[in-house]
Amino acid sequence: AQSVTQPDIHITVSEGASLELRCNYSYGATPYLFWYVQSPGQGLQLLLKYFSGDTLVQGIKGFEAEFKRSQSSFNLRKPSVHWSDAAEYFCAVEEEYGNKLVFGAGTILRVKS
Amino acid sequence: GAGVSQSPSNKVTEKGKDVELRCDPISGHTALYWYRQSLGQGLEFLIYFQGNSAPDKSGLPSDRFSAERTGGSVSTLTIQRTQQEDSAVYLCASSSTVAGGEETQYFGPGTRLLVL
Repeated sequence: AQSVTQPDIHITVSEGASLELRCNYSYGATPYLFWYVQSPGQGLQLLLKYFSGDTLVQGIKGFEAEFKRSQSSFNLRKPSVHWSDAAEYFCAVEEEYGNKLVFGAGTILRVKS
Repeated sequence: GAGVSQSPSNKVTEKGKDVELRCDPISGHTALYWYRQSLGQGLEFLIYFQGNSAPDKSGLPSDRFSAERTGGSVSTLTIQRTQQEDSAVYLCASSSTVAGGEETQYFGPGTRLLVL
């Protein structure tokens, strides 16, 4: 079965600093990968997705992620973090024989001024 | 356009009571999903509807949970004889059918269920 690992439960960065959130997956074929963000009391908002093609994908709010097959990773990056980026971030992979998403445990991002 | 909507946004119930949670998907989306988000278990798949096909119920945790989708649109998740461990946020998502299976799920704001 597919699984997603987000090794960092909490991350704190200073406003204006760069950010990288890690995501590793286990999957037999080419995965469909997603990053979602959840603000407190809100649902999940899609940041970006990877299906195929260019391994560097751009998303909303200045986020990008890079698919690295050799490392089974899909890390999320942002060059300069804003205080409004404080939220919980979820990496997900679409199940190989079905459409449901398998989520990582999430990473809570705190931004300090 | 309108996104996925869910109601109620919050629900407090007593142990043993039945609850119904509603999801209105994005217009035109043929696929609808229910997930549960709880402190101990994270985000878990519950059930998936695609068009007129039989739903994928493989994620439902017990026979107290059921869901239906009427007219290929609105869905209702029903929890019978609620237990305290059912307390969670119930998220609904929808997606459109895309050739090649490259579908993106869009989520609603969730229903926060508290069982006392």
